Amino acid sequence: RKEVEQDPGPFNVPEGATVAFNCTYSNSASQSFFWYRQDCRKEPKLLMSVYSSGNEDGRFTAQLNRASQYISLLIRDSKLSDSATYLCVAALNKFYFGSGTKLNVKP
Amino acid sequence: NAGVTQTPKFRVLKTGQSMTLLCAQDMNHEYMYWYRQDPGMGLRLIHYSVGEGTTAKGEVPDGYNVSRLKKQNFLLGLESAAPSQTSVYFCASTTKSRQGRNTEAFFGQGTRLTVV
Repeated sequence: RKEVEQDPGPFNVPEGATVAFNCTYSNSASQSFFWYRQDCRKEPKLLMSVYSSGNEDGRFTAQLNRASQYISLLIRDSKLSDSATYLCVAALNKFYFGSGTKLNVKP
Repeated sequence: NAGVTQTPKFRVLKTGQSMTLLCAQDMNHEYMYWYRQDPGMGLRLIHYSVGEGTTAKGEVPDGYNVSRLKKQNFLLGLESAAPSQTSVYFCASTTKSRQGRNTEAFFGQGTRLTVV
């Protein structure tokens, strides 16, 4: 079983749509959680950290449910520039990445 | 501030050749990682290091060796390259917060390796 599992997508949505991604992690001892964005197999870049209380950064909202061991990302008012692959991460010294969820935002 | 730098960025090897990939970070991070990324597979951890002079195996260590002689450098070696090692290799580094949690990982730009 993979440490972090994500739906690979792709999610094809129109501009302005709201889209949600979920992922699950298997190690209940994981302490740090993140969402990364990756464009065209360039290096992953941090989108946002994920906290138990939930956190928001502009159009992006991340949630962590420790009891169910899942992490979510909500993107509101999707832009064409949001098209990318979104990687879920759970970390405890080692960083475990999900396989990524591909998002295509269409005009 | 360069962050994490990987060299080389591209390389073509023949089967059986050896090479070393260099990762250098200037953020004084304790933790460093080597990943490989293949289509549809996500990032898979090859080896990692929690400090100078220490290394450990990740998910897919076979065929690779690593060394961390200096805190800022993490080397990944392929002793006898195989076509199955054709991939994109990423190095990353991180540290821990005062609360003991891993902070974000910073990545190098990647090395695209082809083994023919």
